[in-house]
Amino acid sequence: KAGVTQTPRYLIKTRGQQVTLSCSPISGHRSVSWYQQTPGQGLQFLFEYFSETQRNKGNFPGRFSGRQFSNSRSEMNVSTLELGDSALYLCASSLSGSGGDTQYFGPGTRLTVL
Amino acid sequence: GEDVEQSLFLSVREGDSSVINCTYTDSSSTYLYWYKQEPGAGLQLLTYIFSNMDMKQDQRLTVLLNKKDKHLSLRIADTQTGDSAIYFCAEKKGTGGGNKLTFGTGTQLKVEL
Repeated sequence: KAGVTQTPRYLIKTRGQQVTLSCSPISGHRSVSWYQQTPGQGLQFLFEYFSETQRNKGNFPGRFSGRQFSNSRSEMNVSTLELGDSALYLCASSLSGSGGDTQYFGPGTRLTVL
Repeated sequence: GEDVEQSLFLSVREGDSSVINCTYTDSSSTYLYWYKQEPGAGLQLLTYIFSNMDMKQDQRLTVLLNKKDKHLSLRIADTQTGDSAIYFCAEKKGTGGGNKLTFGTGTQLKVEL
């Protein structure tokens, strides 16, 4: 089975712009979660989608949003980019997200905001 | 505390055992995980333990859980240079549906020859 894929792998944007990142989960997985990783804050949960609905949300401003499509692929969008949004954005998928259902991570998208 | 805590660095010699420690936050956490991250890569799931277990062994990896102290450890036997990476513990809180992991700060393991 193919793993979790994320596109693009690298992205450079300027302040004020917006960006969309994409995540394709492992085939059959219906839960997709997004995390932000920075040197200062570490790994922080952004949100989780399951069956096209946001099921969990972390403590991020409304500039961060996401969605999930019927094929379980997910996108996250960041509007009005700030320098502090520079980070590695990781996507993880799991079958359903319940119980001991484990999350498998993609390689991430490295976003640099100039 | 509010944060999942790990020591920042650990250095061991090849062939020795490594023990990485983690203090988590929520006594009701149901599942606890260990992930490995190599430079420029995503997170690789190593192992996990359910909260009603004290120990889990998986080849070279042994996980110990002390619920009373909210302490989790990962022991890597016969550590190899390929084990050099950052190791994260993570907790899944509560019993409700959904994925939300709270990660530790990560421990950088350096394996020396």
